[in-house]
Amino acid sequence: DAGVTQSPTHLIKTRGQQVTLRCSPKSGHDTVSWYQQALGQGPQFIFQYYEEEERQRGNFPDRFSGHQFPNYSSELNVNALLLGDSALYLCASSPGTALNTEAFFGQGTRLTVV
Amino acid sequence: GNSVTQMEGPVTLSEEAFLTINCTYTATGYPSLFWYVQYPGEGLQLLLKATKADDKGSNKGFEATYRKETTSFHLEKGSVQVSDSAVYFCALTRSNRALYFGTGTSLTVIP
Repeated sequence: DAGVTQSPTHLIKTRGQQVTLRCSPKSGHDTVSWYQQALGQGPQFIFQYYEEEERQRGNFPDRFSGHQFPNYSSELNVNALLLGDSALYLCASSPGTALNTEAFFGQGTRLTVV
Repeated sequence: GNSVTQMEGPVTLSEEAFLTINCTYTATGYPSLFWYVQYPGEGLQLLLKATKADDKGSNKGFEATYRKETTSFHLEKGSVQVSDSAVYFCALTRSNRALYFGTGTSLTVIP
């Protein structure tokens, strides 16, 4: 089992550009969540997708958007990049949305905005 | 709102020392509580969890007890090893739709 896989592992973008990050969930998992982890901080919840719909959203602007495909994989899109968007972006998958199911995390995509 | 406050690091201990990492939370209702660990070069992994008051989560010699009266979930281990060196995150969820994390505590164990 490959676990949660994210691509790319590292990315450098220029301020104002747009970026797309990708996530393949663990086999058997249909729920994907995205988190932003700034250096020295804990992960911050961006949003969660289940059945191809955004089910919950954290306190992030509309520049952050996502998508979930029928095979449960997901993309995170960030428009009009700001220097402050530089962070490690983590994807987590879980089987359904039942309470207390374990979330499995990928190793993340390190985004640097210059 | 929901939030987690974690003991500031970094923490450096000698092998076989006793470890405590403090965690307190603020949440409406009855959250589930977690400790996640991030080893160097690896992704976040669930270490242990507790889903209701007075529950004790345990794994790999680590323990934490859900204390509703003090809104705490402190992580403890009786004898740390070099391999326990990592960053530890306390987290809560109210509905499994979002995890709220603390800022993390870096632990280094020296031989």
